Amino acid sequence: DAMVIQNPRYQVTQFGKPVTLSCSQTLNHNVMYWYQQKSSQAPKLLFHYYDKDFNNEADTPDNFQSRRPNTSFCFLDIRSPGLGDAAMYLCATSRGRTRGYWEQFFGPGTRLTVL
Amino acid sequence: QKEVEQDPGPLSVPEGAIVSLNCTYSNSAFQYFMWYRQYSRKGPELLMYTYSSGNKEDGRFTAQVDKSSKYISLFIRDSQPSDSATYLCAMSGDDKIIFGKGTRLHILP
Repeated sequence: DAMVIQNPRYQVTQFGKPVTLSCSQTLNHNVMYWYQQKSSQAPKLLFHYYDKDFNNEADTPDNFQSRRPNTSFCFLDIRSPGLGDAAMYLCATSRGRTRGYWEQFFGPGTRLTVL
Repeated sequence: QKEVEQDPGPLSVPEGAIVSLNCTYSNSAFQYFMWYRQYSRKGPELLMYTYSSGNKEDGRFTAQVDKSSKYISLFIRDSQPSDSATYLCAMSGDDKIIFGKGTRLHILP
């Protein structure tokens, strides 16, 4: 089955220790998104890629970086995690940026704990 | 005022009841209106989407959009325990989606 896969499902890191979250997709979609979702909050878009075109949200902290080496993979790097970065991180894909973008396919998420 | 407002619940209803979930919004530029369902420890999945105003039905689910009131609804008929989840409304006018906080729904057997 075509899907969005996130690894690891649970990640524990220490305050200030860099961490990388991984997302892969077998849907061959052009667009990949990273969202941050805190408990009982709406998913908050951090950035998205349209192919290799990177789009950062204005309020995404510089502490968050992303890489998309190819169509299938996308990474979220948190350079110096703080306690406030503890959250569920969701990766999503969509077919295009102007057509079908409202149908986003989400992975199961990575729950990040910062000690 | 936030762009999208959604009552977080929780909402508990007996099995078989009709469920009504709602959102209000402030941005009149929104054209696409979606409902995503999120089970515990899972990512959201698209349940239904509607373009502009009107109704859309899919099995036990009906989505309604009233752009004049900036109000959207999701109705679930004959609710089942498997419908227990968080339902997030979402809307868009460009290439990004704005989500509501979600309403936690519990269907009691």
